[in-house]
Amino acid sequence: NAGVTQTPKFQVLKTGQSMTLQCAQDMNHEYMSWYRQDPGMGLRLIHYSVGAGITDQGEVPNGYNVSRSTTEDFPLRLLSAAPSQTSVYFCASSGFTYEQYFGPGTRLTVT
Amino acid sequence: GQQVMQIPQYQHVQEGEDFTTYCNSSTTLSNIQWYKQRPGGHPVFLIQLVKSGEVKKQKRLTFQFGEAKKNSSLHITATQTTDVGTYFCAPSGSARQLTFGSGTQLTVLP
Repeated sequence: NAGVTQTPKFQVLKTGQSMTLQCAQDMNHEYMSWYRQDPGMGLRLIHYSVGAGITDQGEVPNGYNVSRSTTEDFPLRLLSAAPSQTSVYFCASSGFTYEQYFGPGTRLTVT
Repeated sequence: GQQVMQIPQYQHVQEGEDFTTYCNSSTTLSNIQWYKQRPGGHPVFLIQLVKSGEVKKQKRLTFQFGEAKKNSSLHITATQTTDVGTYFCAPSGSARQLTFGSGTQLTVLP
């Protein structure tokens, strides 16, 4: 099992560009989430999904879109990147045990 | 979401000393999870507490959930350099979404 994988590991964008952060899990977990982590602020929930075809907003959803067409994949799309979106992005998944498994993260810089 | 306050924000200890981090909420929590994040790494699940007054131990780590389910603590006995990292508490919502505290960054001096 690879667990939760995220690509890319690092990304630099210019203001206004769009991109998709990829997240995949091979544990057949129903629950998946996206968090962002800024220095000194812990992790904040962006969007989450309780199963294929179902998504909902978290604490900081503005500027991000998600979709969940399969159980395995949960991509996060930045519509028009802004410097305020410079952060580390973590994807996580959870199954029956409630334990959340996090991916290695994507470090995004927007200039 | 369920907001939690975590203290202290930073803690430096000498190797061998004990360490405690506290997580406080103004509302009753249904459960709380604890995670550890090493520098440059991702959060790793440590434990989930569900019952009022629950105490769980993992080797040198002791986790407690308050009687009123409004606070929780993590205590590490005789810290080691491998304990370095940031410890987060996080109540879990009905859809497994987590609300993270701001974390306690632990530095262990050899």
